[in-house]
Amino acid sequence: EVQLVESGGVVVQPGGSLRLSCAASGFVFDDYTMHWVRQVPGKGLEWVALIDWGGISTYYADSVKGRFTISRDNSRNSLYLQMNSLTTEDTALYYCVKDDYGPFDHWGQGTLVTVSS
Amino acid sequence: EIVMTQSPVTLSVSPGERATLSCRASQSISTNLAWYQQKPGQAPRLLIYAASTRATGIPARFSGSGSGTEFTLTISSLQSEDFAVYYCQQYKNWTFGQGTKVEIK
Repeated sequence: EVQLVESGGVVVQPGGSLRLSCAASGFVFDDYTMHWVRQVPGKGLEWVALIDWGGISTYYADSVKGRFTISRDNSRNSLYLQMNSLTTEDTALYYCVKDDYGPFDHWGQGTLVTVSS
Repeated sequence: EIVMTQSPVTLSVSPGERATLSCRASQSISTNLAWYQQKPGQAPRLLIYAASTRATGIPARFSGSGSGTEFTLTISSLQSEDFAVYYCQQYKNWTFGQGTKVEIK
């Protein structure tokens, strides 16, 4: 059974930094591209970033480019999101998502990031 | 950026009735389109990919159609568990529509 378990979400002040983690199991992690998707509570879904299976290629939404960095450690079956220069607009539930060569076939339950003074 | 526009924003339907949800892409995406269902307090669940292929375990009452820029998700006979928010997504560069909430009439 595929499992994606996010962690690291906390309350952080504007301008602060945070690192989210996602522990993956139940599939061959280094065969798949992975993503982060976020959702402001009560609002829609926003794609944030992706990293290819080998960790070579990364892409970012314009809203986070230059501030967020996606990475992975295939030896630990783990995905990460380093978030810097956080603003209140980054407050959201962050999902770790597995890409099945196109569609997003498995989602974690999310970790909540709150940016507030 | 490819913009995905869903309509209507809210759809009121009685149980047992048919629901038709629309999704439009700002440029052609061929059939690189997925539909997701999200219930309160839950993560989204993949329903349809490649515009018309049901994901594993998805009931046959869910069907998808379309290509290019116009897409449709049809729920043939709404069950109580189908009342939720539905999102379309193009996976050429991963943007989502704003969602359609299917509520009980």
